[in-house]
Amino acid sequence: GAVVSQHPSWVICKSGTSVKIECRSLDFQATTMFWYRQFPKQSLMLMATSNEGSKATYEQGVEKDKFLINHASLTLSTLTVTSAHPEDSSFYICSASDSAINEQFFGPGTRLTVL
Amino acid sequence: GQNIDQPTEMTATEGAIVQINCTYQTSGFNGLFWYQQHAGEAPTFLSYNVLDGLEEKGRFSSFLSRSKGYSYLLLKELQMKDSASYLCAVRVSGGSYIPTFGRGTSLIVHP
Repeated sequence: GAVVSQHPSWVICKSGTSVKIECRSLDFQATTMFWYRQFPKQSLMLMATSNEGSKATYEQGVEKDKFLINHASLTLSTLTVTSAHPEDSSFYICSASDSAINEQFFGPGTRLTVL
Repeated sequence: GQNIDQPTEMTATEGAIVQINCTYQTSGFNGLFWYQQHAGEAPTFLSYNVLDGLEEKGRFSSFLSRSKGYSYLLLKELQMKDSASYLCAVRVSGGSYIPTFGRGTSLIVHP
């Protein structure tokens, strides 16, 4: 299957700071990228969908001004958690899909801990 | 809306067979996925069913009955490394192609 990378794999930050997470598709052009959040023992919750070159579509209840998503190229999307708070601590996972859409390729995830 | 139901946790013995069930209620249906997720890692794709019947892939098989809103993942010859969470995800027709994930079933394989 295709390879998707995420960086960093884990990050610890102070409350009030901003954190940027990168998601890259390494061997295919990702028309669409997805950002999920997963709390312990919970399911994957879709936060937003982004298509290259256009604004992200956010799910209901997700603050677009807090979770900034940029999808500037077919191989890179970034999620910036602005003014992070302890309740933002979670496992953030991106996935990428080409135009076929029948399969999503997930990144390894980023563990965010906000102190 | 969509409702996807899976057992929270299951245990099984190494070498045995285990069946993980998933029931769903959706307005329209356009495919069901099974993913495996080890703790602290991202999900990995196992199977995709869009038509009724059984899809076999090595030790893992996935079954779908659209009329019953039911699927199962069958794992044979269980190995310790199969201890993981198994996520059922359903995609609906006529709208977003993005699947909705169930809470996952935590499978514990013991010797």
